Formats: sequence, C-alpha cells, structure tokens
Amino acid sequence: DADVTQTPRNRITKTGKRIMLECSQTKGHDRMYWYRQDPGLGLRLIYYSFDVKDINKGEISDGYSVSRQAQAKFSLSLESAIPNQTALYFCATSDLRTLNTGELFFGEGSRLTVL
Amino acid sequence: AQSVTQLGSHVSVSEGALVLLRCNYSSSVPPYLFWYVQYPNQGLQLLLKYTSAATLVKGINGFEAEFKKSETSFHLTKPSAHMSDAAEYFCAVSASQAGTALIFGKGTTLSVSS
Repeated sequence: DADVTQTPRNRITKTGKRIMLECSQTKGHDRMYWYRQDPGLGLRLIYYSFDVKDINKGEISDGYSVSRQAQAKFSLSLESAIPNQTALYFCATSDLRTLNTGELFFGEGSRLTVL
Repeated sequence: AQSVTQLGSHVSVSEGALVLLRCNYSSSVPPYLFWYVQYPNQGLQLLLKYTSAATLVKGINGFEAEFKKSETSFHLTKPSAHMSDAAEYFCAVSASQAGTALIFGKGTTLSVSS
C-alpha cells in the first residue's frame, strides 16, 4: 500500500461545482503539502501545513482552500471549480525530525478535469 | 526567496550518450537542492539531494549532480543514458532552515532514442 494516498485519482466535473481532493498518509510525517502540475509550468505550491494547527498559503492559493483534519489527513477544496483549475494535483509529506532538508514524499496524483 | 531555472524544457540523447540536465538556483540563504524524476503516469520520486555535505552527490540509477556555489548551479548528469531514463526531471530548492517548502523548476523532459 502507498504511504501517501490520494483520492480520487481521476475526476471530471463541471464549472461551478465544489470539489474535494483528499490525502492521507501513513508515514507519520508532520508536514503536508498540495501542489498542482501543469505542462510546461512544473509543480506549483498551493498550500502547506506544518502541523494540525498550521496552514500556509503557497504561490497559487487563490480559488483553493484546505483543511488539516488530523496529522495524517490534508484535503484540498475547490469551492467553485473553473476550467483553468484543470490539472494534476499532488499531495506530499515531509518530516521535521529528519535532517530538515525539505525532502518530499509524493502521492500518485489526482487528475482533475473541469469542463 | 528561492527559485530554480531549468535550462531546456526538452533534451534528447541517444542510448549510451551522456545525459546533462541543467539547473541554476537563486537563494538568499544556503540552499538545499534536489532532483526528482517523474515517470509517465506516476508521482515524483527523489533522485538525489544536496544538503551542504559533499558537493558531488550521487543518486539512484547512476545519476549524480555537482553543487557549484560560484555558478549557482546543480546540474544533473549520467555518463551513459538508458532507454529507461526517459522521464521528466525536476530540480527543486529549499532554504536550509525550518519552515520552508520546496520550490520546483518547470521540468525537463528527457527522451532517449535507440
């Protein structure tokens, strides 16, 4: 079983719909992240959380919100999806207790299409 | 603030040829640098990382990278390309302190021909 699990893996929705992408991890890491990947743009940081009570905006947080329900769970919501939010979304984790290098462990991605 | 620039969005090599993927970084503090690889329809996995120890870093699958502070570079190399190396490669940077997320470059797609 994967250490970082994302659901759903694929989702097609319509403009204006509310969408939630969920991420759970069994690595025991305290830090969790949401990135989106677009062709030619690499990965861009949406939100990150260093513990349950800590939420931080990344470089492209507009139109997104997050919830850190527990140490192991971090969900990303699109309150009213729009077509330019069509992308591949990755959840990642890291562990402060290691060398604090920022090394990330990624889920397998959630492909979202907004029509 | 940190940033990385990957030179060349697409690199093509022949099997057995040298692989060179270029990455330059910008950081106001000593950086930690990473190379990640993404195979088709998969997530990212770590190839190698520089965390202020040895400047020449060896990673998985025969890849290595050298941290050059004077050139602000962290280029990825492999002496002999294999077909299985075809993938997208991302350079990333974080500040060498607590509380910093990784910033990624835009990626370089490596194609390997027989």
